[in-house]
Amino acid sequence: DVKVTQSSRYLVKRTGEKVFLECVQDMDHENMFWYRQDPGLGLRLIYFSYDVKMKEKGDIPEGYSVSREKKERFSLILESASTNQTSMYLCASRRSGQREQYFGPGTRLTVT
Amino acid sequence: LAKTTQPISMDSYEGQEVNITCSHNNIATNDYITWYQQFPSQGPRFIIQGYKTKVTNEVASLFIPADRKSSTLSLPRVSLSDTAVYYCLVGDWDTGRRALTFGSGTRLQVQP
Repeated sequence: DVKVTQSSRYLVKRTGEKVFLECVQDMDHENMFWYRQDPGLGLRLIYFSYDVKMKEKGDIPEGYSVSREKKERFSLILESASTNQTSMYLCASRRSGQREQYFGPGTRLTVT
Repeated sequence: LAKTTQPISMDSYEGQEVNITCSHNNIATNDYITWYQQFPSQGPRFIIQGYKTKVTNEVASLFIPADRKSSTLSLPRVSLSDTAVYYCLVGDWDTGRRALTFGSGTRLQVQP
């Protein structure tokens, strides 16, 4: 059974802090994704990675960066957190060539 | 990626069949149609996927007409536990470098 885990379910940070959100998958998937979900806006893609050390910008990459040093781990970094980055962050993974994505439980980030 | 349009919300009662229609007028030849389900405080979960005609699994059926400009997710005999948001996605992700684009989804409320 595919498992995608995220480092925290809930996180509270202050404006200006550097924030790391970690995602780990255990199925040797090549592709990994970071989304944020906000009421009325659905899920929006921030960044995705199709292989180790590879990354591509999604629809809303501004204010975020990512790191993929190992195949199983994909990190989302908020260099200087702002209140408009308060959101639910969802990580997903997928085997290359397959269409089904597997999502983690999400991290609800609050920036005060 | 093809834009999708689906109803914002639907209401139903336990035991009824629910049909959620998604419009995707600009669907491309290589695009597949995929539906995800999301419960509160959880990541989306893959339900079903199809290219044309009808696809059925243990959870739902997906009906796709010949012109493929729309599709209908059918949930037979819904229960309270089917209360969730349902997302329709259209795209071709065979290359491994494409990501899903989620809209706002359809919020299904099942009443007793």
